[in-house]
Amino acid sequence: AQTVTQSQPEMSVQEAETVTLSCTYDTSENNYYLFWYKQPPSRQMILVIRQEAYKQQNATENRFSVNFQKAAKSFSLKISDSQLGDTAMYFCAFTGESGSARQLTFGSGTQLTVLP
Amino acid sequence: DAGITQSPRHKVTETGTPVTLRCHQTENHRYMYWYRQDPGHGLRLIHYSYGVKDTDKGEVSDGYSVSRSKTEDFLLTLESATSSQTSVYFCAISESFLEGRYINEQFFGPGTRLTVL
Repeated sequence: AQTVTQSQPEMSVQEAETVTLSCTYDTSENNYYLFWYKQPPSRQMILVIRQEAYKQQNATENRFSVNFQKAAKSFSLKISDSQLGDTAMYFCAFTGESGSARQLTFGSGTQLTVLP
Repeated sequence: DAGITQSPRHKVTETGTPVTLRCHQTENHRYMYWYRQDPGHGLRLIHYSYGVKDTDKGEVSDGYSVSRSKTEDFLLTLESATSSQTSVYFCAISESFLEGRYINEQFFGPGTRLTVL
């Protein structure tokens, strides 16, 4: 079974600064996908970024980028130039490629607060 | 935004009563999922569907049943609600391919807050 661990329940960052959220996972699969989702106070789950395990290059979406270390099973999210609207709960999630592994396994989340 | 709606958005009910939550999609996606979200647990999968009348259990399926009679609708039923089922329930859909590979990128509905007294 896959597990996803987010060891930072809460973090804060000053507006315009950079922050990194940590995520580790455990799996026996060779190919899989990792995601970061954002959940603002509106409660809507929003996909932030996706990484395919077979790709060496780290994914980037505007101010959001990941540091994917496959051997270490680590998948951190870096937010650059933090904005007040980035305040949200952030969830790391994992999915495999085959059979019942198509479900998403989520971490417990990191509450990020961007301070003015 | 993916066309996913959930109804009702809020519900308060009493222990022992049946409750049905509805998820409706306009994207014609094959896969649909029901999750519950509780503090400290993230989202946990209850049941999912991989086609009309095709469903399977997830991590926390006890006390829940589902039905999917048409592609666009996925129903979650609590036959006899208990206080431990007080939670926020999310529906999700997926049908995402990238470079010919299925990647299970899921899109979520707005959630239903259920309170069981």
